[in-house]
Amino acid sequence: EDQVTQSPEALRLQEGESSSLNCSYTVSGLRGLFWYRQDPGKGPEFLFTLYSAGEEKEKERLKATLTKKESFLHITAPKPEDSATYLCAVISGGGADGLTFGKGTHLIIQP
Amino acid sequence: KAGVTQTPRYLIKTRGQQVTLSCSPISGHRSVSWYQQTPGQGLQFLFEYFSETQRNKGNFPGRFSGRQFSNSRSEMNVSTLELGDSALYLCASSLEGAYSYNEQFFGPGTRLTVL
Repeated sequence: EDQVTQSPEALRLQEGESSSLNCSYTVSGLRGLFWYRQDPGKGPEFLFTLYSAGEEKEKERLKATLTKKESFLHITAPKPEDSATYLCAVISGGGADGLTFGKGTHLIIQP
Repeated sequence: KAGVTQTPRYLIKTRGQQVTLSCSPISGHRSVSWYQQTPGQGLQFLFEYFSETQRNKGNFPGRFSGRQFSNSRSEMNVSTLELGDSALYLCASSLEGAYSYNEQFFGPGTRLTVL
């Protein structure tokens, strides 16, 4: 059974204070790792897909990286509008179980 | 390009009733997946439909069912509602579905409250 663990559960940062969110996974045959952002009362918004160890992707102040056991979402010089819950999900094997999500990291950026 | 739409956005039902939720995927997307999100369990996979066929199913009881129409629109039905079914139900669409490991794009969800 695929497992995804995200840490920390919650993180409070000052505006401009860079940090990283962690996503550890246990799967049989990783096919893809996805990062989503979710604002309160809304559906998850797609951010990145990573397929293989060593892969990196960037978008504005966000950078996602992938190793064989975990992924990091680095947030550089965050702004208050970056406040959200960040979700990590994996798909493995034939995809029969859909996306397996972690519980998310609730990020608050204080001005 | 319009995103994934879900109707209704909010529903209040009582125990024992049944409910039908609707999802319209992004134009051109043929796969629709449904997820249940609760504070305790997070996001959990319900099922996936592709070309009007249920291709994958998560670990939920048979009270949860769905279908997909020829235009890729999908409906999800929950019968004999229980208090524990209160959740945000999310629909996600993708081009080819899980087997192609495409990105899934989510709708805003339907907030179901069971009293």
